[in-house]
Amino acid sequence: EVQLLESGGGLVQPGGSLRLSCAASGFTFSNSAMTWVRQAPGKGLEWVSTLSGSGGSTYYADSVKGRFSISRDNSKNTLYLQMNSLRAEDTAVYYCAKGDRKMATIYCDYWGQGTLVTVSS
Amino acid sequence: EIVLTQSPGTLSLSPGERATLSCRASQSVSSSYLAWYQQKPGQAPRLLVYGASSRATGIPDRFSGSGSGTDFTLTISRLEPEDFAVYYCQQYDSSRLTFGGGTKVEIK
Repeated sequence: EVQLLESGGGLVQPGGSLRLSCAASGFTFSNSAMTWVRQAPGKGLEWVSTLSGSGGSTYYADSVKGRFSISRDNSKNTLYLQMNSLRAEDTAVYYCAKGDRKMATIYCDYWGQGTLVTVSS
Repeated sequence: EIVLTQSPGTLSLSPGERATLSCRASQSVSSSYLAWYQQKPGQAPRLLVYGASSRATGIPDRFSGSGSGTDFTLTISRLEPEDFAVYYCQQYDSSRLTFGGGTKVEIK
């Protein structure tokens, strides 16, 4: 059974940093691209970033480029999202999602339960 | 960037009725790259349909996807109580994903 468990969310001040983690199990982690998707309170889904299975290719939404960094440790089956220079508009539930193939995420076939990030003073 | 527009914003129907949800793209999308998700309150999204018309594992056959080019449709043939939720379409283009704004299917 595929399981994705996010952690690391919380309250942070504007300009601050936070690192999210996503522990994966139930599939061969290195064979799947992984993706972060966020959802602001009461709003729709927004793609944030994707990382290929090997970790060699990264992709970011324009809204987070230069501030967020996606990475993975395939030996620990864990995905990360380092978030710097956080803004109020980054407030959202952040979901970790498994991509359907190794080099890219065409669609997200499994999702974690999400972790809430609140950026406020 | 391809923009996905979903309509209607809210669909009010009774259990047993047929639901037809629309997703229109600002430019042509490969059918292979169009997916649909269901999200219930307080839960993560769940993949329903990928490749425009292929049901994901464990998805009942009352859910069906169709369409091509710029117009795609998700149909729920007979609504069950557990189907009342928000539905999102999503497309892939140039290593990026974009989601539609969602359609809420509510009990009439």
